[in-house]
Amino acid sequence: DVKVTQSSRYLVKRTGEKVFLECVQDMDHENMFWYRQDPGLGLRLIYFSYDVKMKEKGDIPEGYSVSREKKERFSLILESASTNQTSMYLCASIREGTGTLTFGSGTRLTVV
Amino acid sequence: AQSVSQHNHHVILSEAASLELGCNYSYGGTVNLFWYVQYPGQHLQLLLKYFSGDPLVKGIKGFEAEFIKSKFSFNLRKPSVQWSDTAEYFCAVSPFGRSQGNLIFGKGTKLSVKP
Repeated sequence: DVKVTQSSRYLVKRTGEKVFLECVQDMDHENMFWYRQDPGLGLRLIYFSYDVKMKEKGDIPEGYSVSREKKERFSLILESASTNQTSMYLCASIREGTGTLTFGSGTRLTVV
Repeated sequence: AQSVSQHNHHVILSEAASLELGCNYSYGGTVNLFWYVQYPGQHLQLLLKYFSGDPLVKGIKGFEAEFIKSKFSFNLRKPSVQWSDTAEYFCAVSPFGRSQGNLIFGKGTKLSVKP
């Protein structure tokens, strides 16, 4: 089974802190994604990457950046956390040609 | 703007009742369509998908969905629900031209099945 592992299940950070959310996949997938999930809003794409050192903005990239230095690892960075970034963050990966996302368990981030 | 609409926010059914969850999308061109499910405390997983061919798609756990192009719809159905189907269900669309995995999700429908 493909595994997408997010390093933290729960995080609590203070406003203004720099926050790193880490994601690792073990099946050599080319494409990786960061979504956020909010009640009543569904999932919205923040950023994605289709190759090492490549990144593309999703639908809501403001306030976020990403890093992909290795194929298996995709990091989401909140440069200066704000309370409206309190959310569930989901990492996913996909093998080119399958069309099917594999999701991690999520990181629930609370910014206080 | 491209969007995906799920008609019901919360559906409550008794076991053995039939289920139909509505999903409509606003994109007029070629699309790939998905239903994902999130059971309590678990990660999102694929229920079924439609890329081309037979518009009636069968997925896991007895679920099926029908793509009706003229209605821009991809409704999810199950003839007889079980308590274990309690979950949140998300419809998602990948319009032609967006890269794989770059999906537009609906807001989700919570299904509660009473034993």
